[in-house]
Amino acid sequence: NAGVTQTPKFRVLKTGQSMTLLCAQDMNHEYMYWYRQDPGMGLRLIHYSVGEGTTAKGEVPDGYNVSRLKKQNFLLGLESAAPSQTSVYFCASSFTSGGTEAFFGQGTRLTVV
Amino acid sequence: KQEVTQIPAALSVPEGENLVLNCSFTDSAIYNLQWFRQDPGKGLTSLLLIQSSQREQTSGRLNASLDKSSGRSTLYIAASQPGDSATYLCAVMVGGNQFYFGTGTSLTVIP
Repeated sequence: NAGVTQTPKFRVLKTGQSMTLLCAQDMNHEYMYWYRQDPGMGLRLIHYSVGEGTTAKGEVPDGYNVSRLKKQNFLLGLESAAPSQTSVYFCASSFTSGGTEAFFGQGTRLTVV
Repeated sequence: KQEVTQIPAALSVPEGENLVLNCSFTDSAIYNLQWFRQDPGKGLTSLLLIQSSQREQTSGRLNASLDKSSGRSTLYIAASQPGDSATYLCAVMVGGNQFYFGTGTSLTVIP
């Protein structure tokens, strides 16, 4: 009963490097989300997807790209990492929008030096 | 833009006390409100989900209320235990696909 799984759990990048964060869910959820959590600012939505093959921008999308090639996976990419992207990243999923509960992964702690 | 505020930012209580955490939001056009618990270095665990048409939800020692018209929700924890120590986050769902989160209340229950 895995739920929402994020890989990796920790990563240190140098400025300008690229990386991809993987989110996988086994609950057959349609909606998937990527958030970042920063001290004093709460969680903010980066991108989301309402189904396989779809993506949309959230509140803070700049510097990130996403893809949803398979229903169970949602990838978050950083093309050229910047120190401002140092954060904890959370993936979430829900069955549908609005009236259903959201389930979160354990987070990825990313440091950009 | 929806803004979510949680007061207090931190709370320390002796074991056994009943307590209330507060959440307020600026735009009453929400789909639902969800309370989460976050332990240090961990992800978010859903506690209670209240639909916009509901007034409250209960789970064990937890009771959450929602007053959409005033833009407020409360999370009531009865007979607090040291294991309840964590950060509690509230989030409102807007537009059917985006949660707006508060910055949380850090709760410490002292044995």
